[in-house]
Parts: sequence; structure tokens; C-alpha cells
Amino acid sequence: GEDVEQSLFLSVREGDSSVINCTYTDSSSTYLYWYKQEPGAGLQLLTYIFSNMDMKQDQRLTVLLNKKDKHLSLRIADTQTGDSAIYFCAETSPNTGFQKLVFGTGTRLLVSP
Amino acid sequence: DAGVTQSPTHLIKTRGQQVTLRCSPKSGHDTVSWYQQALGQGPQFIFQYYEEEERQRGNFPDRFSGHQFPNYSSELNVNALLLGDSALYLCASSATSGREQFFGPGTRLTVL
Repeated sequence: GEDVEQSLFLSVREGDSSVINCTYTDSSSTYLYWYKQEPGAGLQLLTYIFSNMDMKQDQRLTVLLNKKDKHLSLRIADTQTGDSAIYFCAETSPNTGFQKLVFGTGTRLLVSP
Repeated sequence: DAGVTQSPTHLIKTRGQQVTLRCSPKSGHDTVSWYQQALGQGPQFIFQYYEEEERQRGNFPDRFSGHQFPNYSSELNVNALLLGDSALYLCASSATSGREQFFGPGTRLTVL
């Protein structure tokens, strides 16, 4: 079955790196996503990775995947106050034709000056 | 290039009423999915529409129904509203067999 878990809260200082963690249970080949949600807004797709990859980098964002442990992380380098938001990890699977996103409960990132 | 748009932004209804929410997908996208996000939770998949048919459905009762029009826009209908239906309703669009789903700003539904 599909289940995604995240820690609830992370607090960092501006300029530090942030690491947000996620674990998933689906054992099939899957796509894994990171979305960002600011207060009162919809979800912004940040990046995604297929489960045959170990790492993906996009500017300040680095996604690391440990397939053995089913652990996904999002590292934000040089974190800014504008990065304060809720970050959701999500997965899709071939069981649902990669069409249904299953989300975690979100990690609230607070960046202090 | 307009992204995903949703209307209305906010809506207040009373228990037992019916509501219709609307979504226009991103240009070039033909698939629309609907999600419900309760306060403090991650979004939950309601259903997905493709070629004007419901292609997949999550664990939601029949009170939740939808429609997709020939121009790919979509509606979500909820009948016999319950207090527990209060949530942010998000629409997401994607291209055929695409792996990226792009979300609209959502409709905040409050049921009193």
C-alpha cells in the first residue's frame, strides 16, 4: 500500500541549509515529488525524481533518494526567509498508472533572520 | 501562459446544501485531478478526469461527483454537504501520461 510520512516541523536560520525528510512505503517503481505550499495558496511543484535515480539537483535544491530504506530528502541550500512554507512529499505508483498523488502530512519550515 | 485557475476562491454553505467548484487546466493539459485538503493535512485524492470520463477515484463517497468538458475544464460537485466537507479543494492538471501535476490556488469551502 501507499503511505508517506514526514516530520512536522523544522526551524533554521537564514543562510543555513535545510534538510526535510520523508519516508514512503510503496515498493514498486515510483515517482517521488516535493511540493511547496505557502499560507492560503495552492501547491507549487519544486522537483521530482524517479526511483531509479539516487540524486537530483536543481539550483538550491538537492533531492536524495535511498531506495533501500525508502527514504527521500530535500536539501535547500542557503535557506531564505521566503523559503518559509509547508513542504509536502508525495508519491505515485504504477498501480494507479502514476496518476494519483499520495501526500505526506507536510513539514512546516520556519526560517528566522 | 495561464496556469491552473479555480473558482470561486472562497465559498460558504450550510449543511445539506450542494456546491459546484470549477477548474480550468493549464494550457496544453488534458487531464484534471481533484484533491481535498483538510486543515493541517496533506491533500487527499478525490478523482481524476480524462477524455470527459472519470479515470480513477479515491476513497470518497458518491456525494462527490465531477464532470469534464470538451475544452478540458472540470467541475467538482458535492451534494448533501457535511461539516466535515469544510476544506481547501485543489485542482491539478497534467498532460497525457505526464508525470507532473500542476495545482491551482484552490477553493476554500466552509460548511456551517
